[in-house]
Amino acid sequence: DTEVTQTPKHLVMGMTNKKSLKCEQHMGHRAMYWYKQKAKKPPELMFVYSYEKLSINESVPSRFSPECPNSSLLNLHLHALQPEDSALYLCASSPLGTSGRSYNEQFFGPGTRLTVL
Amino acid sequence: GIQVEQSPPDLILQEGANSTLRCNFSDSVNNLQWFHQNPWGQLINLFYIPSGTKQNGRLSATTVATERYSLLYISSSQTTDSGVYFCAVFTGANSKLTFGKGITLSVRP
Repeated sequence: DTEVTQTPKHLVMGMTNKKSLKCEQHMGHRAMYWYKQKAKKPPELMFVYSYEKLSINESVPSRFSPECPNSSLLNLHLHALQPEDSALYLCASSPLGTSGRSYNEQFFGPGTRLTVL
Repeated sequence: GIQVEQSPPDLILQEGANSTLRCNFSDSVNNLQWFHQNPWGQLINLFYIPSGTKQNGRLSATTVATERYSLLYISSSQTTDSGVYFCAVFTGANSKLTFGKGITLSVRP
């Protein structure tokens, strides 16, 4: 299995809603990532998990809350989002090197297209 | 931080034509990837190529790490090659993949 899956494909939510995005991989990768991509822009890193621990938070607002329950799953919990948070949310995974850092190839899921009304 | 520049920003080709996409980066890198983002948003891995040359069907890539650039060659282009091509580099300094702005390719039948 060489793919990263994401659910749901599309999500529409109001500013007072709470929702979650889910990402799953079964490649044995121990690094997992959340990216946000706005239209006509490159992906921007939000969070990195290494060995199920949060290793990088790119100063993301607290209305985005990541969670890594096990080595195959990554969630992104959403609460009180703003319309400007509407974007494509991409999950990725990669192997980790012996140093605990990953310079290795990242594999991306198909993304969740989020609209905040 | 590291700068990644891709050129040209936009490219229009007739089906069957060949093209070269360029990625320049401002510092030494541990990892370089080329992606194709299709119209549905899926980022498809094309090459993981920190240095050297690789080929996969009609696509090939060359990275000259010492001169800080990478090239993606597309031969006999097809309409399904349309989309955005991203180059992304990874440096140990910031432990994250830094993307270029992308090259939008349109292949016309």
